[in-house]
Amino acid sequence: EVQLVESGGGLIQPGGSLRLSCATSGFTFSRFWMHWVRQAPGEGLVWVSRINTDGRTTNYADSVKGRFTISRDNAKNTLYLQMNSLRAEDTAMYFCAGRGDSTWLDSWGQGTPVTVSS
Amino acid sequence: QSALTQPASVSGSPGQSITISCTGTSSDVGGFNYVSWYQQHPGKAPQLMIYDVSDRPSGVSYRFSGSKSGNTASLTISGLQTEDEADYYCSSFTSSSTVLFGGGTKLTVL
Repeated sequence: EVQLVESGGGLIQPGGSLRLSCATSGFTFSRFWMHWVRQAPGEGLVWVSRINTDGRTTNYADSVKGRFTISRDNAKNTLYLQMNSLRAEDTAMYFCAGRGDSTWLDSWGQGTPVTVSS
Repeated sequence: QSALTQPASVSGSPGQSITISCTGTSSDVGGFNYVSWYQQHPGKAPQLMIYDVSDRPSGVSYRFSGSKSGNTASLTISGLQTEDEADYYCSSFTSSSTVLFGGGTKLTVL
């Protein structure tokens, strides 16, 4: 069974940092591009970042570029998102997704909530 | 980058067909055959319904189909069922090597 389980979310003050993790199982993690997508309460999906199979190619939405860093550990089948200089507008549910292609997302986790507030 | 444009809501009766549009530009929808569609029920994770404009993942009903013309992609759901009631999002690869989602469409099955 394919599983993606996010963790690391929580309440953080503006300007703070968080590191999200996404532990995967049930598929060959190292073969697939992986993505992070977020969804603010009551709002739509917003793509955040993606990373290629060996971690050497990464792309980011303009809204997070320079503040967020996506990475992966293929030995641990785990995806990460390092989030720095957090702002109130970063408040959202963060989903890990992948196992599709570089442009489409076949499998999704249940998300981890991030709240940026003082 | 602005979200792809989708209607905020559409509705239909059981058994009918509906179409949801997704309009972008030549830098995203019109420039690549990399449009995908996702279904999201309240409180749940999204589910892939269509990828690469018109391909259907295994396990997704044949009632879901996708197409594209110019800068506008479309998702058609035929033989509407009550369980189809959900939010639907399109997405496209962009010339900036990013992925862009639409604003989402709420489908109501009357």
